[in-house]
Amino acid sequence: GQQVMQIPQYQHVQEGEDFTTYCNSSTTLSNIQWYKQRPGGHPVFLIQLVKSGEVKKQKRLTFQFGEAKKNSSLHITATQTTDVGTYFCAGQTSGTYKYIFGTGTRLKVLA
Amino acid sequence: NAGVMQNPRHLVRRRGQEARLRCSPMKGHSHVYWYRQLPEEGLKFMVYLQKENIIDESGMPKERFSAEFPKEGPSILRIQQVVRGDSAAYFCASSPMLAGGAGNTGELFFGEGSRLTVL
Repeated sequence: GQQVMQIPQYQHVQEGEDFTTYCNSSTTLSNIQWYKQRPGGHPVFLIQLVKSGEVKKQKRLTFQFGEAKKNSSLHITATQTTDVGTYFCAGQTSGTYKYIFGTGTRLKVLA
Repeated sequence: NAGVMQNPRHLVRRRGQEARLRCSPMKGHSHVYWYRQLPEEGLKFMVYLQKENIIDESGMPKERFSAEFPKEGPSILRIQQVVRGDSAAYFCASSPMLAGGAGNTGELFFGEGSRLTVL
């Protein structure tokens, strides 16, 4: 079945450093979403990418969707303590409604 | 506009009992997803429902688990004869029906989850 892997599993950074998480799907995706989950909280939607090669920015966050629509990345510039949490990608394949979540990257930011 | 409401937030059951988890989607949303999350792990898809219809239950265990989304009332995830391995956080998410009923439902709005502990 479809699998979505993320690396790294954990990342500790000093406040102000950059952070990147990578998402890889075993199958071609129709679209991909990114979510953030704070410790003890629920996933919160960040963004959706649909087009091959698409790049979107939200303040310090940059999201990319690969040309083959099988991988994606999230880059955070100059991390802050408020960025702490687990970041999940979630992919949907054509003809299905379900979103398969990636394994997640847990980010810790050291002040 | 209230968000996705899940209850109970915390549920403790003994082995062999039944657990019923309820989810009221956001107003105007007709799609409901259920996901299970074990501690320190990702979210595993369980089932996708529209009003009165189970669309995709490929992630549901074959036995003991069932889900419904009636015409009136919340969506319910039911776990019969619970075992310790069922202990997890169960998240419900809803999304609106897009124009034309396309498969891309857009943003998923998650509830705060129901945390089941089986003793």
